[in-house]
Amino acid sequence: DVKVTQSSRYLVKRTGEKVFLECVQDMDHENMFWYRQDPGLGLRLIYFSYDVKMKEKGDIPEGYSVSREKKERFSLILESASTNQTSMYLCATRGATGELFFGEGSRLTVL
Amino acid sequence: GEDVEQSLFLSVREGDSSVINCTYTDSSSTYLYWYKQEPGAGLQLLTYIFSNMDMKQDQRLTVLLNKKDKHLSLRIADTQTGDSAIYFCAERDYSSASKIIFGSGTRLSIRP
Repeated sequence: DVKVTQSSRYLVKRTGEKVFLECVQDMDHENMFWYRQDPGLGLRLIYFSYDVKMKEKGDIPEGYSVSREKKERFSLILESASTNQTSMYLCATRGATGELFFGEGSRLTVL
Repeated sequence: GEDVEQSLFLSVREGDSSVINCTYTDSSSTYLYWYKQEPGAGLQLLTYIFSNMDMKQDQRLTVLLNKKDKHLSLRIADTQTGDSAIYFCAERDYSSASKIIFGSGTRLSIRP
């Protein structure tokens, strides 16, 4: 079974803090994704990566950056957290027929 | 642009069938997916269907695809309390490396 692990299930940060969300996968998938999920808005793509050190902006990249130094690890970075970044963040990898495998999610609260 | 639409809520009685509907706009969609999200968890792939299929059945789940109307449905037979979750419809254009478009999700609640 594909395993996608997000290191933090719940975080509480203050406005202006730097936040790192880590995601690790064990299936050697090339494509990895970061989404945020908000009630009534579904999932929105922040960034994705199709290879080590390669990244592309998704639909809502503003205020975020990513890092993919190793194939199994994809990090989402909030350089200066703001209250409107309070959300559920979901990491995913993509399988052979295009299906996504998701981690359990990281719920971030910015005060 | 591409869009996927679902109703936000559905309530059914335990033991009845649930039908969750989805419409999409992208005519080049080649894969369509149903995901389930239980409270506090990530999304779990339930099933998917290729655009050259009309129907797919997997135990209690039946997926119907009407390409002409761009309508996808998920039927859950004999709905149980463990089926309470949010169900997301999603579509993918095979030519795109990243574009999987999700609906906003349908929250299914089960009445005793």
